[in-house]
Amino acid sequence: SQTIHQWPATLVQPVGSPLSLECTVEGTSNPNLYWYRQAAGRGLQLLFYSVGIGQISSEVPQNLSASRPQDRQFILSSKKLLLSDSGFYLCAWSVSGVSNSPLHFGNGTRLTVT
Amino acid sequence: GENVEQHPSTLSVQEGDSAVIKCTYSDSASNYFPWYKQELGKGPQLIIDIRSNVGEKKDQRIAVTLNKTAKHFSLHITETQPEDSAVYFCAASKNYKLSFGAGTTVTVRA
Repeated sequence: SQTIHQWPATLVQPVGSPLSLECTVEGTSNPNLYWYRQAAGRGLQLLFYSVGIGQISSEVPQNLSASRPQDRQFILSSKKLLLSDSGFYLCAWSVSGVSNSPLHFGNGTRLTVT
Repeated sequence: GENVEQHPSTLSVQEGDSAVIKCTYSDSASNYFPWYKQELGKGPQLIIDIRSNVGEKKDQRIAVTLNKTAKHFSLHITETQPEDSAVYFCAASKNYKLSFGAGTTVTVRA
C-alpha cells in the first residue's frame, strides 16, 4: 500500500533562518506531488505541484521554493523565513495520468516562525 | 481560478442528529468534488467524492449531492456520532488541481 511521510512534525525557527521540509511517498511510482499551506481557520492553499522529477509549478508568489530531486521526494525550502511563513504545511500525492485522482495527505508540519 | 465557498464555518449538533455542510464553486468546468475530514494534528483524509456525471453518492452514514446547474454540492452526515467531530473541507477540481473551501468545524454533543 502507499504511504506518505512528512518531517519534522513541528518546527520552530527564527525569522531569517533557512527552511527545509521533506516529504517522501512509498508504494507508488511517478506520483503527482503537492505542497499545501493551511493557515489557522482557513482552507488549504496550493503552493506547489509537480508532475515529474525536476518539474515544479508554483501557484502563488512567495518566499518559498520547492524541489523534486527524486521521483518520490518533494522538498519545500526557504532561504530566509518570514513571520508570515508560519502555518501548517501539508504534502500530498495523487496518481499521475488519471484525471481527478484523489489527493492523499501526509500528517503535516507545524511551522512557527518567531 | 476556482473559488470555493463553504458554509457554515462551525456546526454543533446533538449526537444522533444530522449535519449538513454546503459548498458553492465558481468554475463550471470543475468536474470532481471530494470531501475531506481533518482530525486535530493530522492531515485531511478523503471521506467521499463525487464526479460531475453523478448527482448523488452515499456511503453508509455519509452522502454527497451535486447540483451542476446551481454549482453547489453538499455533505450530509446522518446519525452523527462523537467520532464525527472534526474539520470538514469541500473541494472542487478540474484536471489535477484542487481548490478547497475554508472548512467547517463540526462538534457532535453527547
